[in-house]
Amino acid sequence: DGGITQSPKYLFRKEGQNVTLSCEQNLNHDAMYWYRQDPGQGLRLIYYSQIVNDFQKGDIAEGYSVSREKKESFPLTVTSAQKNPTAFYLCASSPRRDRRAYEQYFGPGTRLTVT
Amino acid sequence: LAKTTQPISMDSYEGQEVNITCSHNNIATNDYITWYQQFPSQGPRFIIQGYKTKVTNEVASLFIPADRKSSTLSLPRVSLSDTAVYYCLVGDSGYSTLTFGKGTMLLVSP
Repeated sequence: DGGITQSPKYLFRKEGQNVTLSCEQNLNHDAMYWYRQDPGQGLRLIYYSQIVNDFQKGDIAEGYSVSREKKESFPLTVTSAQKNPTAFYLCASSPRRDRRAYEQYFGPGTRLTVT
Repeated sequence: LAKTTQPISMDSYEGQEVNITCSHNNIATNDYITWYQQFPSQGPRFIIQGYKTKVTNEVASLFIPADRKSSTLSLPRVSLSDTAVYYCLVGDSGYSTLTFGKGTMLLVSP
């Protein structure tokens, strides 16, 4: 079964702790993305990567970090510097070929709660 | 990326056809129009993409007039399970990122 997996589905952390969210895909897609969604809002791009060992900041990268050591994996670390980390985090990937670059496949998401 | 405008919410009943219109007055020549669907607590799902005229798949149809300044997503005979947020996005395939607005919340009632 091809797809994107994110784990865990729910995550609870104390303020001041760093936390890493997992994202794995077996679709052989080149590009991967991390989004954040707050209640009643659209998605906001945190980081994206078009190729292994390369990534770019999105609109709200402050307080987050990523790595792309393998094509299949794109973990996101929410650091203690992120002021409002509680949110729904979504990972996505896309083939990056022709107009299919606009067709992104999303994982089930991780709901992070920081208290 | 071209700015899009779509209704915040729409209501419908089971079995009806639903048309959600998106305005994109500054769409560029190379831009495609893409629609996504998102259920609560899930990631968005790609529905359909088009450039001009009409595109149809097993889920929906996309109507794009000749001037391409707007587009209409048509959902035939909706069911309760079509209750979701629908996002309209416009951009060139060369863009490396997507911009999601707030979308249209469609509520289907029995």
